[in-house]
Amino acid sequence: AQSVTQLGSHVSVSEGALVLLRCNYSSSVPPYLFWYVQYPNQGLQLLLKYTSAATLVKGINGFEAEFKKSETSFHLTKPSAHMSDAAEYFCAVSKGNFNKFYFGSGTKLNVKP
Amino acid sequence: DTAVSQTPKYLVTQMGNDKSIKCEQNLGHDTMYWYKQDSKKFLKIMFSYNNKELIINETVPNRFSPKSPDKAHLNLHINSLELGDSAVYFCASSQDRTGKTGELFFGEGSRLTVL
Repeated sequence: AQSVTQLGSHVSVSEGALVLLRCNYSSSVPPYLFWYVQYPNQGLQLLLKYTSAATLVKGINGFEAEFKKSETSFHLTKPSAHMSDAAEYFCAVSKGNFNKFYFGSGTKLNVKP
Repeated sequence: DTAVSQTPKYLVTQMGNDKSIKCEQNLGHDTMYWYKQDSKKFLKIMFSYNNKELIINETVPNRFSPKSPDKAHLNLHINSLELGDSAVYFCASSQDRTGKTGELFFGEGSRLTVL
């Protein structure tokens, strides 16, 4: 079985500050890992993905995530938050022959001016 | 041009009614999905079709019936609607079924409210 845990349903940072959104997964074998972003009243968009290549993955809008097998983590970071980063962020895991994604419960990022 | 489009965007209906949500993708993808997002933003897969063939069918009440007339369309029909069906339903598509390319392309969602 696979699951994804996102610590913190709400994260608030000041503009220009570091963004850190946490994601831990449970899987018996290395999974494929993803971060998606959802802006208000929109569908989810892919930010970045880990598919067993480089452990540090760079995505769009300056976001990156590091796969740490020893910690079963895939935390999302951005060095400097921008107001436009305010959105809901979802970590997801997939394994196997089908695109059966398991999403975390989401973390709402608030960026203060 | 919208890649994955769903209609209607909003749907308000009474308990016991039957309703449908339509989805179309113009990306040429082989695989399409329906996800349900509840009021706590929890997103859960319901169904997946690959080239009109059902490949994922999660534990969903049989009041929910997906239909894929062709690989560009995946519709969701819901019979005898219940209060707990209120949610945002997202259609999505992907290039393949393996999970390796990983990217799902989502529609904007259809917010269903059952009164």
